Amino acid sequence: EAQVTQNPRYLITVTGKKLTVTCSQNMNHEYMSWYRQDPGLGLRQIYYSMNVEVTDKGDVPEGYKVSRKEKRNFPLILESPSPNQTSLYFCASSLGGSGAEAFFGQGTRLTVV
Amino acid sequence: KQEVTQIPAALSVPEGENLVLNCSFTDSAIYNLQWFRQDPGKGLTSLLLIQSSQREQTSGRLNASLDKSSGRSTLYIAASQPGDSATYLCAVNTGGTSYGKLTFGQGTILTVHP
Repeated sequence: EAQVTQNPRYLITVTGKKLTVTCSQNMNHEYMSWYRQDPGLGLRQIYYSMNVEVTDKGDVPEGYKVSRKEKRNFPLILESPSPNQTSLYFCASSLGGSGAEAFFGQGTRLTVV
Repeated sequence: KQEVTQIPAALSVPEGENLVLNCSFTDSAIYNLQWFRQDPGKGLTSLLLIQSSQREQTSGRLNASLDKSSGRSTLYIAASQPGDSATYLCAVNTGGTSYGKLTFGQGTILTVHP
């Protein structure tokens, strides 16, 4: 089954404790992105990747890191999480081309206390 | 900077009604536009994608149209059912060096009551 898999689905952590949210897709997609969703602000892009070893900042990259060492994986790293990073996070992937749909993972609800 | 607006923010209708959700965007130079459905606590499910060269797409009871020149898209849902209750999001892909970046509207919360 074609899918984007995020882990964990839920995470509560403390301020300053480094964490990684994993994202994996099995569709051989070139493009992968991370978004955060906040009430009143909607979905905003954090980082995206156009292929292996090619990443770029989205609208809200501060406090986040990403890497794309393999085509299928695109982890999101919070080196020193803060409470304002409490949010619902989504990973997405797509092929290139105007007809390519974006597929989203099930989301990771992160709470930083 | 691309901005996407969805109207109405919320909609409550009785079962069986036909309804229209609206999406507008400020930069008409788009690559494609995608409509998603989001159920509470769940991820986004793609409903329809319209390429910039297309005027509409249909899937079952759903029909999405695109008017690039006026910066508008509509999602038409025929014969609504309680199972259609969800948040509907439209997202614009501006393409070019920003390909892969989707700009989302705030969504329309739809409630279909029996």
